[in-house]
Amino acid sequence: DSGVTQTPKHLITATGQRVTLRCSPRSGDLSVYWYQQSLDQGLQFLIQYYNGEERAKGNILERFSAQQFPDLHSELNLSSLELGDSALYFCASSVATSGNTIYFGEGSWLTVV
Amino acid sequence: TQLLEQSPQFLSIQEGENLTVYCNSSSVFSSLQWYRQEPGEGPVLLVTVVTGGEVKKLKRLTFQFGDARKDSSLHITAAQPGDTGLYLCAGGGYSTLTFGKGTMLLVSP
Repeated sequence: DSGVTQTPKHLITATGQRVTLRCSPRSGDLSVYWYQQSLDQGLQFLIQYYNGEERAKGNILERFSAQQFPDLHSELNLSSLELGDSALYFCASSVATSGNTIYFGEGSWLTVV
Repeated sequence: TQLLEQSPQFLSIQEGENLTVYCNSSSVFSSLQWYRQEPGEGPVLLVTVVTGGEVKKLKRLTFQFGDARKDSSLHITAAQPGDTGLYLCAGGGYSTLTFGKGTMLLVSP
């Protein structure tokens, strides 16, 4: 158990819909990262927040957005879903922005039908 | 964009065998990490290598960082079924961590 909690674990939704994935980082961790894992692309960095502020952006689509709240939990919002958005979405956390180990949650399986 | 190529993509061996998996790039990385991901779980950090030529050992796992810091290898001695999983290498800073697509290792009893 990494201490990073993600909900829901599994989600099936239709194309065009919107979903929200939730992440609670490890106690004391200020940085939260979102990754997408698919068979063809592998593990891709989407976005990072540090203490409520966006710190870095990766291959995140405009249809996707995220935020980190004052209590440090984070949400990843995926809208206008397409079949190709089906993937495993991971949240990870670390104490700071660099030089520390990052810990991954168990992921949220999203299936778009 | 820095790319990491991992080989082989899939490896199926018997318990007790030795194996080596590779992580190669045309780019130089300041550090390189190896993770293991088991089914239904997120990746778990195994080791970070920083210095060119560095060798680190974790029980039966030996990690090596290339002299030019562009490649790395993971050698497992006497593999066990518990070693089964997806082995990922990753390079760069945490904000821009680039992952390879991984080597899926299956160790049969």
